[in-house]
Amino acid sequence: GAGVSQSPSNKVTEKGKDVELRCDPISGHTALYWYRQSLGQGLEFLIYFQGNSAPDKSGLPSDRFSAERTGGSVSTLTIQRTQQEDSAVYLCASSRQGGSHGYTFGSGTRLTVV
Amino acid sequence: DQQVKQNSPSLSVQEGRISILNCDYTNSMFDYFLWYKKYPAEGPTFLISISSIKDKNEDGRFTVFLNKSAKHLSLHIVPSQPGDSAVYFCAAIWNMDSNYQLIWGAGTKLIIKP
Repeated sequence: GAGVSQSPSNKVTEKGKDVELRCDPISGHTALYWYRQSLGQGLEFLIYFQGNSAPDKSGLPSDRFSAERTGGSVSTLTIQRTQQEDSAVYLCASSRQGGSHGYTFGSGTRLTVV
Repeated sequence: DQQVKQNSPSLSVQEGRISILNCDYTNSMFDYFLWYKKYPAEGPTFLISISSIKDKNEDGRFTVFLNKSAKHLSLHIVPSQPGDSAVYFCAAIWNMDSNYQLIWGAGTKLIIKP
């Protein structure tokens, strides 16, 4: 497709379970970002991948969060032992190197931990 | 189909002058709009917002104007300062059947010249 694709669009999980969120960026975009948007709060940066460089993981809130980007394309954000405070919309964005051509955001995955 | 459009990928403004960043949208159901600012290698940070029932919101040097009939909003920064150089994102919130969606523009890179 032409845009950034995220799946699933909605996920309800029980507290303590692990979840995987997927992001398929635009072909040719070397930069990929994960963000978290909690209702009523600002966007929270989680992790940034740029090409083959080591990812910037400075935004990950705890060691329960991890992300991978395979082959410089698809990325998976994994949350282990989910907690209720993990409930949020998880957004993925991609851009060409340096973002000089703009960023494209996916429509997000709404995660609800019950 | 982009529902939130920022048609200027970049804008250059002299320090001390007014910066005007524009955003157009297509969905009249959007009920809240936000502006975010992003520095390189960092996540976007919230700047200012406006409810769809208002036409203006002011916070210090930043003012957001909303023209619902034209489906257009703008961010005014006056006076512009060197630290304002960043990428600015316009975003819209859509609540549909309790399904909260955040839809982003592609961003406008603002360069403040000394």
